[in-house]
Amino acid sequence: DIQMTQSPSSLSASVGDRVTITCRASQSIRSHLNWYQQKPGKAPELLIYAASSLQSGVPSRFSGSGSGTDFTLTISSLQPEDFATYYCQQSYNTPPVTFGQGTRLEIK
Amino acid sequence: EVQLVESGGGLVQPGGSLRLSCAASGFTFSSYEMNWVRQAPGKGLEWVSYISSGASSIDYADSVKGRFTISRDNAKNSLYLHMNSLRAEDTAVYYCARERTVVIPGAIIVRYFDLWGRGTLVTVSS
Repeated sequence: DIQMTQSPSSLSASVGDRVTITCRASQSIRSHLNWYQQKPGKAPELLIYAASSLQSGVPSRFSGSGSGTDFTLTISSLQPEDFATYYCQQSYNTPPVTFGQGTRLEIK
Repeated sequence: EVQLVESGGGLVQPGGSLRLSCAASGFTFSSYEMNWVRQAPGKGLEWVSYISSGASSIDYADSVKGRFTISRDNAKNSLYLHMNSLRAEDTAVYYCARERTVVIPGAIIVRYFDLWGRGTLVTVSS
C-alpha cells in the first residue's frame, strides 16, 4: 500500500498568514493527489483534485502543486473559516485509496 | 439539492451486525461510483469500500474484507454497507462518498471524492 505522510501534523497560524502543508507519498503517484478540508463534526470537503485543480466553489486562496512523491497545499492568506484539519489522499495505486494522517491548522 | 444522507448507525455488541444506508438525491446516482470511508473518534480518514456504478466491480480494505459487504440499488438511489462480525476497532463515523474522475494531460485519469454525506456513527461496545 502507498503510505501518505503529511507535515506538519499541526500548525498554529494567524489570520492573513500564508500557510503551506506538505504531503509525501511512499512511491510516485504522478498527479493522483487530492486535498480535503474537514471542520469539527463535519464531513470532509474536496478542495483540490489532481494535485492542482481547484474544486468548483473553493476560494482561490487555496492552491495545490507537486507531482511524483511531493505535494503542497498552500493557503495564500488565512481566513477565520480556514481553521480546520486538512487531509491529502492518493488514488494512484488502488485499492486501497489512502489518506495522510491529517494536518490540524489552529489559530495562533 | 445534491446530497448524500447516511443512516443505520448505532450501538452494537462485538460480533454483531449492522446495515448502513446512504440515500442519494439531486443527481443521477446510477452514473457514479461510490465509496464508504470511516473515521474513528479523534482519528484520520480510512477508506473502507468501493463499488462501481453498475456494481460489477467491488473493493474492500483489508481490515474489513470478509466481514463487510457493499451493495447498491440504483432504482432506489441507495448505497449500502452490510457489516458483520463487528469489532471494537470498527467504531467510527461512516461516510458515503461519491467518486468522480478527471482526465488530465497525458491521458491520466485521476479519481477523487467530490461529494460526502454527513456520516453515521457506529459504536461497537458491550
